[in-house]
Amino acid sequence: AQSVAQPEDQVNVAEGNPLTVKCTYSVSGNPYLFWYVQYPNRGLQFLLKYITGDNLVKGSYGFEAEFNKSQTSFHLKKPSALVSDSALYFCAVRDITDKLIFGTGTRLQVFP
Amino acid sequence: EAQVTQNPRYLITVTGKKLTVTCSQNMNHEYMSWYRQDPGLGLRQIYYSMNVEVTDKGDVPEGYKVSRKEKRNFPLILESPSPNQTSLYFCASTIKGGDEQFFGPGTRLTVL
Repeated sequence: AQSVAQPEDQVNVAEGNPLTVKCTYSVSGNPYLFWYVQYPNRGLQFLLKYITGDNLVKGSYGFEAEFNKSQTSFHLKKPSALVSDSALYFCAVRDITDKLIFGTGTRLQVFP
Repeated sequence: EAQVTQNPRYLITVTGKKLTVTCSQNMNHEYMSWYRQDPGLGLRQIYYSMNVEVTDKGDVPEGYKVSRKEKRNFPLILESPSPNQTSLYFCASTIKGGDEQFFGPGTRLTVL
């Protein structure tokens, strides 16, 4: 069965510092991986995806993610965090029925 | 504006009183789904629909019904709500095989 895991409930980082939000996956076959962000009182918004190709994927708002097949990871990164990046981040994998299987979410808190 | 709308946004009800949460999208998407979001569990799929008159169970379908009579609408029905259905509900849509799912703003349901 397909699954993703987000090992950290919360990540704290100072504004201007780099940030990493971790995700590992377990899939059979080629993984279709996604990152979504949820701001307070809002629905989820698509950030980026990995389907195939370059292991470094660039997305919205300056975020990027690194696909690592040997470590089965898909960590979300940003070189310089902003206070406005504070939100709930979800990693997800898509199965053959187009269903998204989500991780439990990681709350990112960026401090001024 | 391309969007997924849900109504109501907030609802407090009592056990056993039938309710419907509506979902509508204006992007002509074939695929629609319902998720519930609970703390520590991420988002879990309740039901999905590949197209008009085609629906199927997701991971947590018990206590819910759906229908897809028109392409744009995908209502979620709780025939006899119970307190364990207190949750935050999201509707989502995408084209068939699409990468990015578009989420509604969410419906916060409390069942007393």
